[in-house]
Amino acid sequence: ETGVTQTPRHLVMGMTNKKSLKCEQHLGHNAMYWYKQSAKKPLELMFVYNFKEQTENNSVPSRFSPECPNSSHLFLHLHTLQPEDSALYLCASSPPADTGELFFGEGSRLTVL
Amino acid sequence: RKEVEQDPGPFNVPEGATVAFNCTYSNSASQSFFWYRQDCRKEPKLLMSVYSSGNEDGRFTAQLNRASQYISLLIRDSKLSDSATYLCVVNREGYSTLTFGKGTMLLVSP
Repeated sequence: ETGVTQTPRHLVMGMTNKKSLKCEQHLGHNAMYWYKQSAKKPLELMFVYNFKEQTENNSVPSRFSPECPNSSHLFLHLHTLQPEDSALYLCASSPPADTGELFFGEGSRLTVL
Repeated sequence: RKEVEQDPGPFNVPEGATVAFNCTYSNSASQSFFWYRQDCRKEPKLLMSVYSSGNEDGRFTAQLNRASQYISLLIRDSKLSDSATYLCVVNREGYSTLTFGKGTMLLVSP
């Protein structure tokens, strides 16, 4: 299935590294999201973009920096992360009609050493 | 109180059993309700929406009680392939974002 594609699928980085996660959707959706999923916690919304404009930043630390160059692409730039940032980062998109359905990518599993 | 609370699980049931998941939400302004399913090491996917009158999709029945702010999911005749984590999700009117519960894991054994 190629609706929402995330790369890389796995990433290991040190606390001083800079890396980026990429998300691409081929569904013609206008909204894109970054979620964080940690063990034993509910999915945490990080950022929302609607028609390339950021509409929500859920008090995310500045070491996470999103970028949305167009409605099909979303990036999450990572810089000086902490070990507690290790988690599964899920990208999602949704259509204009508010059906409540999010289409998720398979996620990028991040480990910070 | 957490926004969306679910049974902690896991639920271990034999094939053919009926199992029910419960969910409560704290925000009375919540307008839309959903169950998502997440297989092990996979992304969440929408299982079904939950309507005020209750709704059924094959072996799955979802119910909503707005007065008690309670949502349920009933699975009849469990299959091995039903093993997954079931996520209760709510949305507030006018908001484009969903709030997820922690999920309840279901393990169906032969």
